[in-house]
Amino acid sequence: GAVVSQHPSWVICKSGTSVKIECRSLDFQATTMFWYRQFPKQSLMLMATSNEGSKATYEQGVEKDKFLINHASLTLSTLTVTSAHPEDSSFYICTTGGSYEQYFGPGTRLTVT
Amino acid sequence: EDQVTQSPEALRLQEGESSSLNCSYTVSGLRGLFWYRQDPGKGPEFLFTLYSAGEEKEKERLKATLTKKESFLHITAPKPEDSATYLCAVDAGNMLTFGGGTRLMVKP
Repeated sequence: GAVVSQHPSWVICKSGTSVKIECRSLDFQATTMFWYRQFPKQSLMLMATSNEGSKATYEQGVEKDKFLINHASLTLSTLTVTSAHPEDSSFYICTTGGSYEQYFGPGTRLTVT
Repeated sequence: EDQVTQSPEALRLQEGESSSLNCSYTVSGLRGLFWYRQDPGKGPEFLFTLYSAGEEKEKERLKATLTKKESFLHITAPKPEDSATYLCAVDAGNMLTFGGGTRLMVKP
């Protein structure tokens, strides 16, 4: 199956700063990538759908000005958490694929202090 | 609205004690049902995709089945290394809707 990487794997930042998370599809041309968030002991919740070359679509309740998504190429999507707050601390996971299988990145643990 | 419910939320088994995890779903136009395993602090690991009622798939000690309303993940003679959270998700369009997961703990 396809390989998806994320960087960084974990990050600690101070409240009010911005953090960029990269999601790379290493051997799969990802026209669409999905960004999920997972709080402790909860399931994955879709945040937004990242479309190569166009604007991302956000799920209800997700602030598009706070979670900036850029999908400039078929192999890279980035999620920038702007003006991060402690409540943004979570596990962020990207995924891509088709109807047959979704390939997940290893996730990025964000802690905002 | 698509809904996916997994039960139980948590399951403790003794090594060798077989059991089943349930995933009930309500979707309009199921395109696929996925099972994943997730270890703490890691992204989900793909296990199976099921497409139509009556379909079954197996991998080592795991067997997934699908009906029109639910899917079961049967685990036969589990080992401690099978301890993880098992997630199911349905594809009814261009996104996945996840269940809440079942945390499986297998004690030696």
